Amino acid sequence: GQNIDQPTEMTATEGAIVQINCTYQTSGFNGLFWYQQHAGEAPTFLSYNVLDGLEEKGRFSSFLSRSKGYSYLLLKELQMKDSASYLCAVKDSNYQLIWGAGTKLIIKP
Amino acid sequence: DTAVSQTPKYLVTQMGNDKSIKCEQNLGHDTMYWYKQDSKKFLKIMFSYNNKELIINETVPNRFSPKSPDKAHLNLHINSLELGDSAVYFCASSPPGGNYGYTFGSGTRLTVV
Repeated sequence: GQNIDQPTEMTATEGAIVQINCTYQTSGFNGLFWYQQHAGEAPTFLSYNVLDGLEEKGRFSSFLSRSKGYSYLLLKELQMKDSASYLCAVKDSNYQLIWGAGTKLIIKP
Repeated sequence: DTAVSQTPKYLVTQMGNDKSIKCEQNLGHDTMYWYKQDSKKFLKIMFSYNNKELIINETVPNRFSPKSPDKAHLNLHINSLELGDSAVYFCASSPPGGNYGYTFGSGTRLTVV
């Protein structure tokens, strides 16, 4: 079966750095996505990785290792508004998005 | 301008009723989707649809049916609503190609009483 694993919940301090991990087992791989979802709102696109390595976008970076079936989302200089769920999703061989259950990130002052 | 809009935002209805949720996208995307997000926040694909193909998640009961009058619209019709149908339903769309994310609508919170 296809599986995406990520921690259920993480807590971090305002101004700090946090890394959210995602491991996947899918039938084929056509890219990995990270989405942010605030409570009661729609998921919004954060990043896309298809090749190994690090993609940086401002305070957010996403890393991929295809051989390990592993990705992480790195959030720097945390702000209170970063409190949200972070969803990892992988496109399989049929270009269907397989979603993880999301990691709820709690930011404390 | 709202890219993907769905209505209504909230829907409370009784068991056994039939209801529809509407979705429209003005992005010119080829493919539209319906997702269900349950209380555990897990996003589950229900349908994906473009001009050529409807892909149905086999776990979706046949009480749920997508209806697409044109490329920019994909409505969700639900017959004989059950308590377990209570969830947030998201519409989304995507362009062709693998490296584009999905754009989601704001969601419809359905409560069946």
